[in-house]
Amino acid sequence: AAGVIQSPRHLIKEKRETATLKCYPIPRHDTVYWYQQGPGQDPQFLISFYEKMQSDKGSIPDRFSAQQFSDYHSELNMSSLELGDSALYFCASSFGALGRSYEQYFGPGTRLTVT
Amino acid sequence: KQEVTQIPAALSVPEGENLVLNCSFTDSAIYNLQWFRQDPGKGLTSLLLIQSSQREQTSGRLNASLDKSSGRSTLYIAASQPGDSATYLCAVRWETSGSRLTFGEGTQLTVNP
Repeated sequence: AAGVIQSPRHLIKEKRETATLKCYPIPRHDTVYWYQQGPGQDPQFLISFYEKMQSDKGSIPDRFSAQQFSDYHSELNMSSLELGDSALYFCASSFGALGRSYEQYFGPGTRLTVT
Repeated sequence: KQEVTQIPAALSVPEGENLVLNCSFTDSAIYNLQWFRQDPGKGLTSLLLIQSSQREQTSGRLNASLDKSSGRSTLYIAASQPGDSATYLCAVRWETSGSRLTFGEGTQLTVNP
């Protein structure tokens, strides 16, 4: 079965650079979520989109922005990178969002290292 | 504040043992609860999803239970194998927190041959 695809899988950037992470949800899934997992920490919710509209916002820095496109893929844009942004970034997808209880399926993650 | 706690943080057992991982949450108004497995540096694999109206879910050697009123869930692993070694994460979706999942810090399980 098709899974959530994330690219790139690994990314190395320098401080103050920008990075773009991409997520391709499972076919027919209309909701995308982004999570950040720092070293030794549990995943923290950043932001989600349902039918191309932002549906929920968590602890996402103002330096980060995201959007969901007409084909339902999503991109997380990160600017003015800091050392503390080094983490594993997960994308998840589900069918339905608010008011529903559908399972979230996670991608393999993008490991971002900021030097 | 809505929080998820997992105890113990780490667990080491011999192969073949049955074991229980615990998850507690502070607010009983949940939509659902998911158990995940994470291998070191890898992604999250969904193991079981329990809706708020359910009491338990089973998949193979795994059984997850949910007691909303007491704010607790347990993941039971039968006849553990070395391949079960991983970190197990519990995540809750609350009724009042949109569609986000809130994770516990996980239990790192080691099954010794």
